Amino acid sequence: AQSVTQLDSQVPVFEEAPVELRCNYSSSVSVYLFWYVQYPNQGLQLLLKYLSGSTLVKGINGFEAEFNKSQTSFHLRKPSVHISDTAEYFCAVSDHNAGNMLTFGGGTRLMVKP
Amino acid sequence: DSGVTQTPKHLITATGQRVTLRCSPRSGDLSVYWYQQSLDQGLQFLIQYYNGEERAKGNILERFSAQQFPDLHSELNLSSLELGDSALYFCASSATGQSNQPQHFGDGTRLSIL
Repeated sequence: AQSVTQLDSQVPVFEEAPVELRCNYSSSVSVYLFWYVQYPNQGLQLLLKYLSGSTLVKGINGFEAEFNKSQTSFHLRKPSVHISDTAEYFCAVSDHNAGNMLTFGGGTRLMVKP
Repeated sequence: DSGVTQTPKHLITATGQRVTLRCSPRSGDLSVYWYQQSLDQGLQFLIQYYNGEERAKGNILERFSAQQFPDLHSELNLSSLELGDSALYFCASSATGQSNQPQHFGDGTRLSIL
């Protein structure tokens, strides 16, 4: 079984500042890693994914994430945030062996202030 | 627009009742997933179907059931509803259901039990 921990439930940040949303996972087998964003009253939209290869992955809207196997982390970063980035962000993992069910973290609410 | 369609968007009903939530996957996707999002439990995987067959089962109550039809749309049936079943129910789809494939989410059905 796997689990995902998003260490911050809320992250307030000023517009144009950098941001990092933290994600740690626990699994006894190899996993695939995903970040999703949820805007108010909408479904989840895929930001980026790590499947294999380069540990730095780039996604949509200027976001990127780095996979660190030794620290079992997959932190999400953006060098300069916009008001429109205000949303809930979810880290998720799927197990190589257990089908495609996603295990989600508890979410991080990013609040971008002017 | 993810291409995944969920109906209805909102559903208000009473305890003890039964409801059916409907999902049409993205064109070409063979696998459908159902998730429940609630304030206390977060996002939880319920069940996965692939080409009409159940593929994986998560934390789905016995009062809940699902199926995927030959045209690949899926329905989630919730019966003997309780107050605690109030939540946002998401459907997602992916091409073949393998764990390295990202899932594309609909906008959800918000179920309110009075």
